[in-house]
Amino acid sequence: AQKVTQAQTEISVVEKEDVTLDCVYETRDTTYYLFWYKQPPSGELVFLIRRNSFDEQNEISGRYSWNFQKSTSSFNFTITASQVVDSAVYFCALSEVATGGFKTIFGAGTRLFVKA
Amino acid sequence: EAGVAQSPRYKIIEKRQSVAFWCNPISGHATLYWYQQILGQGPKLLIQFQNNGVVDDSQLPKDRFSAERLKGVDSTLKIQPAKLEDSAVYLCASSLVWGQGAGELFFGEGSRLTVL
Repeated sequence: AQKVTQAQTEISVVEKEDVTLDCVYETRDTTYYLFWYKQPPSGELVFLIRRNSFDEQNEISGRYSWNFQKSTSSFNFTITASQVVDSAVYFCALSEVATGGFKTIFGAGTRLFVKA
Repeated sequence: EAGVAQSPRYKIIEKRQSVAFWCNPISGHATLYWYQQILGQGPKLLIQFQNNGVVDDSQLPKDRFSAERLKGVDSTLKIQPAKLEDSAVYLCASSLVWGQGAGELFFGEGSRLTVL
């Protein structure tokens, strides 16, 4: 069965600190996709990154980096030198290929507070 | 490119009343999703359409919730009669089925429902 676990409910850091958000997933499929979405206080979920199950290369985009490890079923997200604008709820999501497209489930989210 | 449009943004009703939400996905996106997001939780999939056919409604409380996607474009989600526990944000999302970016969800701003 599909499952996404984000064990950290809330994290609070001071600006310029690095922070890592954890994500652990469960799936029986060999082909799947992992995502991170950001939900700022305005409420609209915004896509950050997609990773497919065959690509374990880590990715860096500016201050954001992602570490995908199939051996531990984890897809962690690190923000380097955090800024106040990074304050939001971050969701990890798992998509499996299903009839009619992708079936996507979300973790419970991690609320990040970045204090000035 | 126009994003996913939803209306109304806010709705307050009394329990046992009915309510309807409307969603217009991104042009060309065959897959449309309705998610329910209760405060402090991750989005939970209610129903998924591929064009105008339902591909997953396993978590839709069918005794009170209904949804349709006429002509494979716009969609409406109805709740009748509403219960207190239906208070949530109802998120509509759309995605491509194939090609680069397939599976990435584009979300609307959501419709916040309060049931008194």
